[in-house]
Order: sequence, then structure tokens, then C-alpha cells
Amino acid sequence: EAGVTQSPTHLIKTRGQQATLRCSPISGHTSVYWYQQALGLGLQFLLWYDEGEERNRGNFPPRFSGRQFPNYSSELNVNALELEDSALYLCASSKDRAQETQYFGPGTRLLVL
Amino acid sequence: EDQVTQSPEALRLQEGESSSLNCSYTVSGLRGLFWYRQDPGKGPEFLFTLYSAGEEKEKERLKATLTKKESFLHITAPKPEDSATYLCAEAIGSQGNLIFGKGTKLSVKP
Repeated sequence: EAGVTQSPTHLIKTRGQQATLRCSPISGHTSVYWYQQALGLGLQFLLWYDEGEERNRGNFPPRFSGRQFPNYSSELNVNALELEDSALYLCASSKDRAQETQYFGPGTRLLVL
Repeated sequence: EDQVTQSPEALRLQEGESSSLNCSYTVSGLRGLFWYRQDPGKGPEFLFTLYSAGEEKEKERLKATLTKKESFLHITAPKPEDSATYLCAEAIGSQGNLIFGKGTKLSVKP
């Protein structure tokens, strides 16, 4: 069974640009979660999507947004990039929104110059 | 405030030297306590889920236990390949997201 996949693996942008990160969940999983892991910090929750709807968001500004597609894959968009957005962005999926175990992808390393 | 605290921040062991990692969690409303392993630059790898006090789970050299206030990850006779950062996380109420601790960086020397 294929795990969670993310693309691209690395992304380099300049300040003010927009970044789009993509995630495909494990087959049969309907919930997708996005986390940010900045250097030296723990995993910080960004967004949770289930059945195409945003269910919860963490303490991040509105320029962090995303969506979930009918096939349950998801996209994270970061607008007006700032230097401090440089981090490892992790996507996780779970079977449903009943607090099932979350399985993580390999992450996308975003570097903002 | 929901909070997960892990200790120690870093742990250096000799190969074969058993030890334990600690995770203190928010007691009220816990729906699950999770342990993950993370290698540098990679996504966390799921290890265990614990749901109620007294529960224990084992996998190879690792055993996770849960009390009413804490969880422990016991590592028996570790090998160098067990070197990684071990993350503890809690699921609270119906929020959906996991709340992570900052992790314990384990280094096992041959």
C-alpha cells in the first residue's frame, strides 16, 4: 500500500511570491492535515480537511490556505511568502475524522530567499 | 492550554544501554496519545497509539506505556539505527489536529 506522497520535495521561492504544495493521502483515507516544522521548532498544525471541507485551522495568517479535491488529495497555498515561512511542510492523512492515527508524508522543504 | 512536554531534550546512549523517554500530556479530553519517530529531513514515522491509562504496546526494542498523566517510551538494548528524534503527540476533543511535543533526540553510539 502506497503511503502519503507530497510534491515537490524541495521548493525555492523569493519573498513575496506564492508557493503551492501538493499531497496525496493513503488510499481510503478521507482526512488530510497540514503541519509546518520550522528549524528548531516542533510541528505546528496548519489546516485540516475532511470530505472536501476545511474543518479546523491553526494559528496561522490567512495567507496560508488550501483545499481538498474530490479524490481527497490536497493543496496548500502560501501567498506573499516571508523569510520565516522557510520550513518543512508535512502532510498527513487518516481514515476519517474520528481521531484515527495520522500517517505522514516525506514533506516539502520550502526555502524562501 | 493544551501542552505536550517531552524530556529529556537529548539523550546519548551506548549501544545496549536501555533507557526511557518521557511525555507529559494534557489530561482533560485526551482521545489518543501518539508516538512517532522522525529521521532528519523526513516525515514522522508512526510507532504507537495509546488510548487509556495502563495500556502498553511493543514493537521490537520499543515499548510505550500510558499513565493518567504521562507516557513513557522504553528503549531496550538500543542499536545505532534507533538514533532519531522521537515525538509524542496528543489528540484532544474533536479538534482533528495532533499537538506535538518538541521531541527527544536520541543518539546511540556503537
